[in-house]
Amino acid sequence: DIQMTQSPSSLSASVGDRVTITCRASQGISNYLAWYQQKPGKVPKLLISAASILRSGVPSRFSGSGSGTDFTLTINSLQPEDVATYYCQKYNSAPWTFGQGTKVEIK
Amino acid sequence: QVQLVESGGGLVKPGGSLRLSCAASGFTFSDYYINWIRQAPGKGLEWVSYISSSGSYTNYADSVKGRFTISRDNAKSSLYLQMNGLRAEDTAVYYCARGLEASANDYWGQGTLVTVSS
Repeated sequence: DIQMTQSPSSLSASVGDRVTITCRASQGISNYLAWYQQKPGKVPKLLISAASILRSGVPSRFSGSGSGTDFTLTINSLQPEDVATYYCQKYNSAPWTFGQGTKVEIK
Repeated sequence: QVQLVESGGGLVKPGGSLRLSCAASGFTFSDYYINWIRQAPGKGLEWVSYISSSGSYTNYADSVKGRFTISRDNAKSSLYLQMNGLRAEDTAVYYCARGLEASANDYWGQGTLVTVSS
């Protein structure tokens, strides 16, 4: 099975900082990669699909890139409401594996 | 609006069974595949099972294969997860989440908590 590895597992940044989270697949998955945001105590929400397509209504400070095995989620100008855990997920085929998550906090 | 509402969670003893349900509304249920995804307390997300839009194809995580069975009734816009042989490590919030084929899960339910404990 393809493994999904996120880094870092947690980070602390200041409001206004640019934040980058990476997700690496153990084998190529083309662009079948999604990013989800889960705020504390809430249901996960889809941010980005197909590696780089921003879901309607998601702030434009979020962006995704990558293809194959290496993917990146970037938050430009971190805001207090972005405090959450972010997960990547492959969805090209079963199993629909998630990364272990990256917890983002405000410094 | 799109809604997915899980039910059926609760406290069950190890080795016991539960049947989770997911009621869908606000969209054409038969157009979407559905995943069950779980989250153990304080842990990350774990994909559990998939069923295609027609119900013809299913898949399971190795951790639940042979114990869990996913099914759907498109006429009732409902999804089910029959869970047998439950173990302590199955304790989690269980979410149902929809997606179009070859697409990500764009809507998730609120989840239902399953606790396996003696």
